Amino acid sequence: DVKVTQSSRYLVKRTGEKVFLECVQDMDHENMFWYRQDPGLGLRLIYFSYDVKMKEKGDIPEGYSVSREKKERFSLILESASTNQTSMYLCASSLWLDKGVSYNEQFFGPGTRLTVL
Amino acid sequence: AQSVTQPDIHITVSEGASLELRCNYSYGATPYLFWYVQSPGQGLQLLLKYFSGDTLVQGIKGFEAEFKRSQSSFNLRKPSVHWSDAAEYFCAVGFGGSQGNLIFGKGTKLSVKP
Repeated sequence: DVKVTQSSRYLVKRTGEKVFLECVQDMDHENMFWYRQDPGLGLRLIYFSYDVKMKEKGDIPEGYSVSREKKERFSLILESASTNQTSMYLCASSLWLDKGVSYNEQFFGPGTRLTVL
Repeated sequence: AQSVTQPDIHITVSEGASLELRCNYSYGATPYLFWYVQSPGQGLQLLLKYFSGDTLVQGIKGFEAEFKRSQSSFNLRKPSVHWSDAAEYFCAVGFGGSQGNLIFGKGTKLSVKP
């Protein structure tokens, strides 16, 4: 069974702290994604990665960075957390299209609800 | 520009009633189409998907969706709603590209009355 796990379900941090959100997938997927989800705004893409050490900015990358040192792990970093980064963070993964399997169906982790005080 | 619209923010239906959730997209070709469901406090689960072929697709939990090219729509339906269907539903559209990016609608929250 496919699985995407996220390191924490709930996280409380203080303004200015450096925050790491970890995501691991066991499906050997090339693509990994970080979204934030806010009421009324749906899912917004922060960053994605299509290979180890590769990353691309999504729609709202400001205030975030990412790291992908291994294929199965994709980390989201908040260099200096701010209150406006309080949100639900969702990680997802998918296969490359040219493998002809599942096209760009994404598999999601359970989410991390981050509160920045 | 490519976009996905879910016109209904919140829908309330009675248990046992039928359901239709709307999704429209803006794109010049046939995209890859998905419906996801999110229960409170959970991640997203895939309900169904459409890539090509038969325009009526069946999914899990008794859901189905119909792709209508002429209307650029991919509406989700269920003939009889159960209380456990209360959740938020997201339409997502893939416009191709090897990175497999999806654009998500803003979601429709479904409430079910007893």
